Amino acid sequence: AQTVTQSQPEMSVQEAETVTLSCTYDTSESDYYLFWYKQPPSRQMILVIRQEAYKQQNATENRFSVNFQKAAKSFSLKISDSQLGDAAMYFCAYSQGGNTPLVFGKGTRLSVIA
Amino acid sequence: DAGITQSPRYKITETGRQVTLMCHQTWSHSYMFWYRQDLGHGLRLIYYSAAADITDKGEVPDGYVVSRSKTENFPLTLESATRSQTSVYFCASSVGLATYEQYFGPGTRLTVT
Repeated sequence: AQTVTQSQPEMSVQEAETVTLSCTYDTSESDYYLFWYKQPPSRQMILVIRQEAYKQQNATENRFSVNFQKAAKSFSLKISDSQLGDAAMYFCAYSQGGNTPLVFGKGTRLSVIA
Repeated sequence: DAGITQSPRYKITETGRQVTLMCHQTWSHSYMFWYRQDLGHGLRLIYYSAAADITDKGEVPDGYVVSRSKTENFPLTLESATRSQTSVYFCASSVGLATYEQYFGPGTRLTVT
């Protein structure tokens, strides 16, 4: 079974600085999808960024980017120019694709310090 | 309203009671999912459904029952609630296309006393 590990239960960053959240996963598959979801205090799950394993290029969405290392099974999220609104729980998730269910890590709580 | 909704948003029930959490989506997405979120565990899959009348167990299905008679609805029933089922429950759906993105409902916070 696939597993997702987020080794940082909590992180903090100064406003306008950059922070990287770590995620590793375990799978024997070659094709799969990886996601980062943000959960603010409202509890709503918001998709931040998505990476297809067959793509070598790292995904980027505005201030959010990933460092996808397929051989190392690592999928870290970098947040640049951190804003107060970035404070949330962040979940890394894996999907085999084909609409299989997501496998989530335990989450990293990010605090942004003004 | 368009999207995916869950009801109730908050529920307090007693041990042994049956309770049903509702999930409704307006997109006609084929796939629907139920997850529970607990501190220290992230989100874990309870049940999912690929289409009406097709359901399958996830990681933590014990004590739960699902049905899907209509594409847009996917209710989750706790047959006899236990304190260990105190959690936040999320319903999600996906369209079945290449992005495989799942869209989440707002969640239901359930407390079993």
